[in-house]
Amino acid sequence: GNSVTQMEGPVTLSEEAFLTINCTYTATGYPSLFWYVQYPGEGLQLLLKATKADDKGSNKGFEATYRKETTSFHLEKGSVQVSDSAVYFCALRGGSNYKLTFGKGTLLTVNP
Amino acid sequence: EAGVAQSPRYKIIEKRQSVAFWCNPISGHATLYWYQQILGQGPKLLIQFQNNGVVDDSQLPKDRFSAERLKGVDSTLKIQPAKLEDSAVYLCASSSSTSQGDTQYFGPGTRLTVL
Repeated sequence: GNSVTQMEGPVTLSEEAFLTINCTYTATGYPSLFWYVQYPGEGLQLLLKATKADDKGSNKGFEATYRKETTSFHLEKGSVQVSDSAVYFCALRGGSNYKLTFGKGTLLTVNP
Repeated sequence: EAGVAQSPRYKIIEKRQSVAFWCNPISGHATLYWYQQILGQGPKLLIQFQNNGVVDDSQLPKDRFSAERLKGVDSTLKIQPAKLEDSAVYLCASSSSTSQGDTQYFGPGTRLTVL
């Protein structure tokens, strides 16, 4: 079945540092890939998505590229801010009913 | 545009009691999902509705969990009787369709604590 493996946290960075959160997946066919973010006390929000190989999703300075050859969808940001502190979830959608499968989440803390 | 609404936000019950959660999806969204998110894990799909029909309930513990979506709009998720391991955040999400690239929009969740 489908599965998502993402980098275990927690990740602690200083403001303006470079961020990478690794995500790899196992799926049959050609899934769509997503990054969701969960700020403290809030629900999940879609951060970005890519629906086919080599697509790059981007939003709020975050980027991720759908790499089919390495089955990866790593999240990057060039300069993080304190307000980026949250839990980040990688997810894929595929299979017969397009079920959304999540990774375990990575807690990011950005210190001033 | 109003988002996905859920209530209550928090619920504390004793084991073997029953509990119900309510979800109102984004207007016009045909597809509704219930997820269970245990602390430290990603959300796990419990049940998916397309209008008022069930598309996938393969991971719903049917001996104690039930869900309905009458009239294809609001939905309720019930647990009866609750167990300690049911302590989790229950998330409701909706989307306009079931296409692979379609975005699911999540509500704030209901945090259930079973004592």
